[in-house]
Amino acid sequence: DTAVSQTPKYLVTQMGNDKSIKCEQNLGHDTMYWYKQDSKKFLKIMFSYNNKELIINETVPNRFSPKSPDKAHLNLHINSLELGDSAVYFCASSQVVGDNEQFFGPGTRLTVL
Amino acid sequence: DQQVKQNSPSLSVQEGRISILNCDYTNSMFDYFLWYKKYPAEGPTFLISISSIKDKNEDGRFTVFLNKSAKHLSLHIVPSQPGDSAVYFCAASDGYGGSQGNLIFGKGTKLSVKP
Repeated sequence: DTAVSQTPKYLVTQMGNDKSIKCEQNLGHDTMYWYKQDSKKFLKIMFSYNNKELIINETVPNRFSPKSPDKAHLNLHINSLELGDSAVYFCASSQVVGDNEQFFGPGTRLTVL
Repeated sequence: DQQVKQNSPSLSVQEGRISILNCDYTNSMFDYFLWYKKYPAEGPTFLISISSIKDKNEDGRFTVFLNKSAKHLSLHIVPSQPGDSAVYFCAASDGYGGSQGNLIFGKGTKLSVKP
């Protein structure tokens, strides 16, 4: 009965590979987000989607492509992985756009070798 | 440039005492502030928030104070309990109901409450 779930929890891969992280929320929320927490511990927003439509793209390289098949899912696909992509990626959701109370998933620790 | 700053990376307090976590911000357009708590290997969870029209919001053992003129907020936990040991993130946004709901987070402060 996890509210916001992500898979996988850990991902270790080689430079140049393509990988995906999946996120699902069962809260009935309209808005979903992806955040990146880098080695300096900054938690920064990457994307947000409202009802399957992109509303925020915070100057993330276009190797990162979010995909929202329905409003309960927001997956993150990363092409041509680089060392600097190593981080913890958090998915989150909120009831509506602009609702500051966001519910976070457990995170996916991505390590690029 | 960091718009939300938590200058203390860690804080250690004794059980039963008060924990005070501080946060400063630079953007005067921020008008809604939140604190999130994060345990290891888990995502952040919402703890308490405050709108800029208030200077204090209380929820049980947790109280957030906002000083707009100083662009400073603080989270008080009293009495502190060992289960409060976690990383606390301060976050700010430019308004509830805004078109984007973009939260800007600080780097976090790791609180350790010793029995």
